[in-house]
Amino acid sequence: GAVVSQHPSWVICKSGTSVKIECRSLDFQATTMFWYRQFPKQSLMLMATSNEGSKATYEQGVEKDKFLINHASLTLSTLTVTSAHPEDSSFYICSAREEREQYFGPGTRLTVT
Amino acid sequence: GQNIDQPTEMTATEGAIVQINCTYQTSGFNGLFWYQQHAGEAPTFLSYNVLDGLEEKGRFSSFLSRSKGYSYLLLKELQMKDSASYLCAAVDSNYQLIWGAGTKLIIKP
Repeated sequence: GAVVSQHPSWVICKSGTSVKIECRSLDFQATTMFWYRQFPKQSLMLMATSNEGSKATYEQGVEKDKFLINHASLTLSTLTVTSAHPEDSSFYICSAREEREQYFGPGTRLTVT
Repeated sequence: GQNIDQPTEMTATEGAIVQINCTYQTSGFNGLFWYQQHAGEAPTFLSYNVLDGLEEKGRFSSFLSRSKGYSYLLLKELQMKDSASYLCAAVDSNYQLIWGAGTKLIIKP
């Protein structure tokens, strides 16, 4: 099956710094990529949908200036958490769509101290 | 509005069978996914149903009734490693996933 990778898998950063998370579709081209956030014991929450070459569409309540998404190519999307705070600590998961199938990356655990 | 309902938690015995139900209400419908998620890991794909009926994949089967807005995931010959959360997600008319909160399945020896 299709593979989606994320890097890094785990990151610890200090409050006020920015963190970039990469999401790559390794063996297929993804016209649409999704970014999810998951807090402990909660379901996945969609943050934004991005299409290659265009601006991301953010879900209500997600600050687009804080969570910068760049979908530069059909195989790469990045999420940058700017000026991270402890409440941004979460599990960030990307997903890439190939036709009607949707594949998930392994997730990135962000801890902001 | 769009809504997915599934039980919060279920308990079953190793070797037994368990059925996890999911009901959905969405704007349009383009199929339903079941995912398994172990704690601290990303979801892994189990099944995708878009037509009515039962689809079997080894120990796991998934059923869909579009007229009833209902699906279930059936797990047979339960193993301890099946302890996980099982997420139901319906695809709406815009091909967006609408997620259920997940069912935590606890397997007891």
